[in-house]
Amino acid sequence: EIVLTQSRGTLSLSLGERATLSCRASQSVSSSYLAWYQQRPGQAPRLLIYGASSRATGIPDRFSGSGSGTDFTLTISRLEPEDFAVYYCQQYGSSPWTFGQGTKVEIK
Amino acid sequence: QVQLQESGPGLVKPSETLSLTCTVSGGSIGSYYWSWIRQPPGKGLEWIGSIYNSGSTNYSPSLKSRVFISEETSKNQFSLKLNSVTAADAAVYYCARSYSVSYHSPFGSWGRGTLVTVSS
Repeated sequence: EIVLTQSRGTLSLSLGERATLSCRASQSVSSSYLAWYQQRPGQAPRLLIYGASSRATGIPDRFSGSGSGTDFTLTISRLEPEDFAVYYCQQYGSSPWTFGQGTKVEIK
Repeated sequence: QVQLQESGPGLVKPSETLSLTCTVSGGSIGSYYWSWIRQPPGKGLEWIGSIYNSGSTNYSPSLKSRVFISEETSKNQFSLKLNSVTAADAAVYYCARSYSVSYHSPFGSWGRGTLVTVSS
């Protein structure tokens, strides 16, 4: 089973700042089958990024993903009020599909 | 746009079977992969299992001995059964559809989730 580790439990940032979230896999994620989700309080997760760097339908271009192998990054270029939420990475290259433990982006 | 809605008892007794149904609207249950994911209160996400190809399943090894996922195409529904539940199975349970028709696909559409409590 691939274990995903999101290094920061909480990021405290201000509106307009850049957020950089990391996700490290215990072994290489095949074909960059790595996704990022956003979860706001009381809501279901929403797919942001798939294939490590492709934005899902309707996702604003301030969200971008990068990385390959075992190290992946989600970047939010300029934080908007609705971006303060919890973010999860997930790998779907090797069953069982697994998630990171989440990083909360909070308002500083 | 596809929509998913979970339904089922919100309270299950320890040692009994948790049963949930996901009703899909705005699209056919065919072609895609349909999954169950859970989230204990205040914690992270755990994939439970998926169903595809009119009945093929893939389960998380940690739950495989207790899980059964099935589909009823005539009703555009799929279901989850988890037996011998304990307090550790208390969670919000989500149903989800794959983003694409590929085996290797993230979860693109989600239901709102349903909270299941385990208590006598």
